[in-house]
Amino acid sequence: EVHLVESGGGLVPPGRSLRLSCAASGFTFNDYAMHWVRQAPGKGLEWVSGISWNSGTTGYADSVKGRFTISRDNAKKSLYLQMNSLRAEDTALYYCAKDEGDLEYYFDYWGQGTLVTVSS
Amino acid sequence: SYELTQPPSVSVSPGQTARITCFADALPKQYAYWYQQKTGQAPVLVIYKDTERPSGIPERFSGSSSGTTVTLTISGVQAEDEADYYCQSADSSGMYVLFGGGTKLTVL
Repeated sequence: EVHLVESGGGLVPPGRSLRLSCAASGFTFNDYAMHWVRQAPGKGLEWVSGISWNSGTTGYADSVKGRFTISRDNAKKSLYLQMNSLRAEDTALYYCAKDEGDLEYYFDYWGQGTLVTVSS
Repeated sequence: SYELTQPPSVSVSPGQTARITCFADALPKQYAYWYQQKTGQAPVLVIYKDTERPSGIPERFSGSSSGTTVTLTISGVQAEDEADYYCQSADSSGMYVLFGGGTKLTVL
């Protein structure tokens, strides 16, 4: 059974950094692209970033480009999101999501999310 | 850039058919995907590649596509189908993934 468990969220002042992690199990991690999707309180879903199976291709939403960096460690079956220069508008529940293939660009499994709150 | 436009809300009585539309503007037609999100839960994929249903998703969920509009149809709606539904597409040339604004389905 596929499991995705996010961690690393918390309360952080504007301008600071935070690193999210996602631990994967139940599938061959290095066969699939992975993504981060966020959801601000009471709002809809917003794709944040994605990475191919071998880290050769990455993509970012315009709203986070230049501030966030996605990475993965296939040996550890883990996905990461380094978030720098955080803003109040980055406050959201951040989901780790498995791609259906290698950059098929849709998500067949999701974690339960980790909450990031940016506030002074 | 382009947008996916959904109606904010749809209401139906149990046993009726719910149809949720998603209009894509400006972008050559790519596949669309649909997710169901119940309150306090993570999204669940219910339709992929416009019309395909993942294993474990009830047959009452179906998808269709016509021009730049895709539609999620739920036949014989049940109370448990009350949720937010999101359409999603992507521009595969540049990893640009987009969600619609979501539609709240209320079962009366």
